[in-house]
Amino acid sequence: GDSVTQMEGPVTLSEEAFLTINCTYTATGYPSLFWYVQYPGEGLQLLLKATKADDKGSNKGFEATYRKETTSFHLEKGSVQVSDSAVYFCALRDDKIIFGKGTRLHILP
Amino acid sequence: GAGVSQTPSNKVTEKGKYVELRCDPISGHTALYWYRQSLGQGPEFLIYFQGTGAADDSGLPNDRFFAVRPEGSVSTLKIQRTERGDSAVYLCASSAPGTVYNEQFFGPGTRLTVL
Repeated sequence: GDSVTQMEGPVTLSEEAFLTINCTYTATGYPSLFWYVQYPGEGLQLLLKATKADDKGSNKGFEATYRKETTSFHLEKGSVQVSDSAVYFCALRDDKIIFGKGTRLHILP
Repeated sequence: GAGVSQTPSNKVTEKGKYVELRCDPISGHTALYWYRQSLGQGPEFLIYFQGTGAADDSGLPNDRFFAVRPEGSVSTLKIQRTERGDSAVYLCASSAPGTVYNEQFFGPGTRLTVL
């Protein structure tokens, strides 16, 4: 069945560092791909999405490109802030949403 | 405007007891979803309602789990004869009318602890 694999955390970075969180997927169809974020004490929020190959989703300085050839959707940000500390979930949606296990990100001031 | 709300925020119960978890979706959202998030895992799909009917209940783990949405708005997830393995955060999400691929908006979740 469909699945999502993302890098395990926690990931700890200093403020202004470059961030990459790897995500790969397995799907029989042509899913839409998502990154969700869960800030401490808050519900899941959609961060960005891409609906077809080579689409780039972007929001709040984060970007991810739908790479069909490598079945990947890596999340990147050029300069992280302390306020980016959260848990990030990669997900795909073909019929229902399937989430990865999440990656906890800690940004140190 | 108001987002998805879930009550209670925390529920502690004893093994074997019955629990009900409530979800109030965003007004006007016809689709409603339940997910379960165990510690260290991503959310797992349980059931999806379109209006009053369950369009897909393939994620319910067994017949102890049941969900209703009698008037097409509020939904209740019911768990009978709770087991320690049911301990998790139960998330609800809703989405607007239109395609099944509309964005889902998540509530804060109910943390269920079965002792």
